[in-house]
Amino acid sequence: ETGVTQTPRHLVMGMTNKKSLKCEQHLGHNAMYWYKQSAKKPLELMFVYSLEERVENNSVPSRFSPECPNSSHLFLHLHTLQPEDSALYLCASSQFSRTDISTDTQYFGPGTRLTVL
Amino acid sequence: TQLLEQSPQFLSIQEGENLTVYCNSSSVFSSLQWYRQEPGEGPVLLVTVVTGGEVKKLKRLTFQFGDARKDSSLHITAAQPGDTGLYLCACRYNTDKLIFGTGTRLQVFP
Repeated sequence: ETGVTQTPRHLVMGMTNKKSLKCEQHLGHNAMYWYKQSAKKPLELMFVYSLEERVENNSVPSRFSPECPNSSHLFLHLHTLQPEDSALYLCASSQFSRTDISTDTQYFGPGTRLTVL
Repeated sequence: TQLLEQSPQFLSIQEGENLTVYCNSSSVFSSLQWYRQEPGEGPVLLVTVVTGGEVKKLKRLTFQFGDARKDSSLHITAAQPGDTGLYLCACRYNTDKLIFGTGTRLQVFP
């Protein structure tokens, strides 16, 4: 049991839809992450909320919008997605410390399998 | 942009065989982690190595960190069907960001 839950597990949406992915961590961690995992690319970091700061990967399109209302919940709002956005979206959390970055361990949820038609 | 290459990309073996997978970078990294991801699940951490030349063992799995801190290997002895999964290496290059490798997909047949 990872302690990180994600809903929904599967999502099919059209290009004009608006949907949101939800992540919740029960581990008391202070950092949460969104990753994208597609078939032909390495696991890619999209957004980080760490120590109450948001860090973005500048290559993420604006049609992806994260929200972190508190340290336990993380959302990824989706709008006007493209078929190439179909992928497994993974949420993770960790207890981040600037003095011990090397051993920071990510705890992943099971992911949301997103299909954009 | 740093790239973490893993090889082989795919590996299918019989139960009881030994195997080694590799993780290579063109740049020196500060630490390296190995994760395993099973179908329908997220990756789970197996080990963290931080010292060049470090060797760690986890039951039938042996992890080695290269002396130059640019490569790592994972050796599995007497593979079991339960070892089936996607093996990912991940490292940091003096930044907060964790970079994941391209992955090795292992299938162990009974």
